[in-house]
Amino acid sequence: GENVEQHPSTLSVQEGDSAVIKCTYSDSASNYFPWYKQELGKGPQLIIDIRSNVGEKKDQRIAVTLNKTAKHFSLHITETQPEDSAVYFCAASETGGFKTIFGAGTRLFVKA
Amino acid sequence: GAVVSQHPSWVICKSGTSVKIECRSLDFQATTMFWYRQFPKQSLMLMATSNEGSKATYEQGVEKDKFLINHASLTLSTLTVTSAHPEDSSFYICSARYPPSGRALGEQYFGPGTRLTVT
Repeated sequence: GENVEQHPSTLSVQEGDSAVIKCTYSDSASNYFPWYKQELGKGPQLIIDIRSNVGEKKDQRIAVTLNKTAKHFSLHITETQPEDSAVYFCAASETGGFKTIFGAGTRLFVKA
Repeated sequence: GAVVSQHPSWVICKSGTSVKIECRSLDFQATTMFWYRQFPKQSLMLMATSNEGSKATYEQGVEKDKFLINHASLTLSTLTVTSAHPEDSSFYICSARYPPSGRALGEQYFGPGTRLTVT
């Protein structure tokens, strides 16, 4: 079955710097890769996603890249702000399956 | 994005009692809903997949008689923790899958979670 690995587990950056979180997946059939942001005591919030027919997607300060050959995808946050501090989860799933497999999460701290 | 609600947001119950948690997709119909459990500082652990009108599919190690799931309509799924014990205390989160578009899998949206404390 699918396995998703996420790195780093913790990331601390200075406000205004960029943050990059990387994930790898094992199942070549996976074709949908969402990213979620979870704040303390709340449910995960979908912030961006990418499908296998594109290599990059951007939404304001966040962007996601996908390398299907290498089976890895990354989340990029530019001009980080303290409110970006949260736990971020990557995930992978494929059209024919029901399950979404989540990474272990990255705890991002943005220092003011 | 689509909105998923969960009720209650927190609940405290005595050991041996049952607790029901509701999950609703407010502005879309979800043929598939999921229930997760999350321990502090850990990732999401899928408990079961719930399809409207059929029995839920439980993950290995999850007791189906203890965690009863009902998906009675396209907008409502419920999780009942029966005969709760302190070890069932956790953060329970539901999610609903947006209807697929063509061959593309629909996005998955999460509820705000329910914190269960069993005393």
